[in-house]
Amino acid sequence: DSGVTQTPKHLITATGQRVTLRCSPRSGDLSVYWYQQSLDQGLQFLIQYYNGEERAKGNILERFSAQQFPDLHSELNLSSLELGDSALYFCASSVDMGGSTDTQYFGPGTRLTVL
Amino acid sequence: AQTVTQSQPEMSVQEAETVTLSCTYDTSESDYYLFWYKQPPSRQMILVIRQEAYKQQNATENRFSVNFQKAAKSFSLKISDSQLGDAAMYFCACDPIQGAQKLVFGQGTRLTINP
Repeated sequence: DSGVTQTPKHLITATGQRVTLRCSPRSGDLSVYWYQQSLDQGLQFLIQYYNGEERAKGNILERFSAQQFPDLHSELNLSSLELGDSALYFCASSVDMGGSTDTQYFGPGTRLTVL
Repeated sequence: AQTVTQSQPEMSVQEAETVTLSCTYDTSESDYYLFWYKQPPSRQMILVIRQEAYKQQNATENRFSVNFQKAAKSFSLKISDSQLGDAAMYFCACDPIQGAQKLVFGQGTRLTINP
């Protein structure tokens, strides 16, 4: 158990809908990262938040957005869902003391299926 | 931009034998970290080992060790005394020390352990 929690574990929805994925980082970790794992694209970085602020953006679609709250939990919002958005979405967290790379610890993932 | 390449989509090894998984990477960063993550059928991403690029000594974690060749940009993972529980997808990843801390993953190697 990495200490990173994600809810829900599974999500099945229809095209055009909007969903919210939730992540709670390990105790003490300030950075939260979101990754998408799909069969055709592999594991791709979406976005990083550090202590409530967006720090880095990867291949995140405009239909997707994220935020990190004062208690450091994060939510990834996916809207106008398409079949191709079906994937495993991971949240990871790290201490990120600034200036050095910390190991990212991954949550169990949320499996999103868009029908 | 960084790229990580795992040229072996699948590998298999007899239980108790040794296997080496290959990884090459390309980065313009002078300082970076390299990681191996394991993803068993549960889909959880589990850290196996990490290597700081500025360290010449190869990292080891129990039965897992790496062969880090910085000039060749090669980072292979050796698993000794393979166990059935080692069966998983193994991902190599690179993370720069400066700038946005995000992992760039290879496509993965599926490791099968034969009893």
